[in-house]
Amino acid sequence: DQQVKQNSPSLSVQEGRISILNCDYTNSMFDYFLWYKKYPAEGPTFLISISSIKDKNEDGRFTVFLNKSAKHLSLHIVPSQPGDSAVYFCAASDETGANNLFFGTGTRLTVIP
Amino acid sequence: NAGVTQTPKFRILKIGQSMTLQCTQDMNHNYMYWYRQDPGMGLKLIYYSVGAGITDKGEVPNGYNVSRSTTEDFPLRLELAAPSQTSVYFCASRRTPAGGEETQYFGPGTRLLVL
Repeated sequence: DQQVKQNSPSLSVQEGRISILNCDYTNSMFDYFLWYKKYPAEGPTFLISISSIKDKNEDGRFTVFLNKSAKHLSLHIVPSQPGDSAVYFCAASDETGANNLFFGTGTRLTVIP
Repeated sequence: NAGVTQTPKFRILKIGQSMTLQCTQDMNHNYMYWYRQDPGMGLKLIYYSVGAGITDKGEVPNGYNVSRSTTEDFPLRLELAAPSQTSVYFCASRRTPAGGEETQYFGPGTRLLVL
């Protein structure tokens, strides 16, 4: 049962344009959401997060939007750069003591120079 | 700081063999995690630990064991390797949250092939 879903396995964007990566979740108990970036043969690295009490969080070129009523979040990258080409994972944390993360299946972003 | 380190980077096992995947973190994090990532899939939690001497099962614990005798180390044991355990294994750690910090820091992964 996949509680966090990324329905687009891949996305290609021209350099300088906006990249929008989407994520849906089913568990209304999730209270914290994160995006991780992963390059081949490396571990995921933290990119940006958002608490369920907010609807937007911005960090440089990266912005995450949260729509709790729709159980949907998105990551916007603008402007996109070739170095952004990677697999992006959406993850959600529930309210249990260890705050374990539930991951989506990932979206492979390719930024074309 | 080295962060989270994992050894080995790659290993081939025969069915029925056993091995231990090593994970060490030097950030004095209390929380540690083991995930596996199958091709085209997200990461799934195998086991986690909230501190030395305390471990608990995650989403896919069958076929694995863990121990946490120190804050720094969190080894993952496979007793009887099966082809279904072919995967990439990631260890992660997180400090005790203060103010809602949830970020987990990941190691580079161990690629395991069971034949």
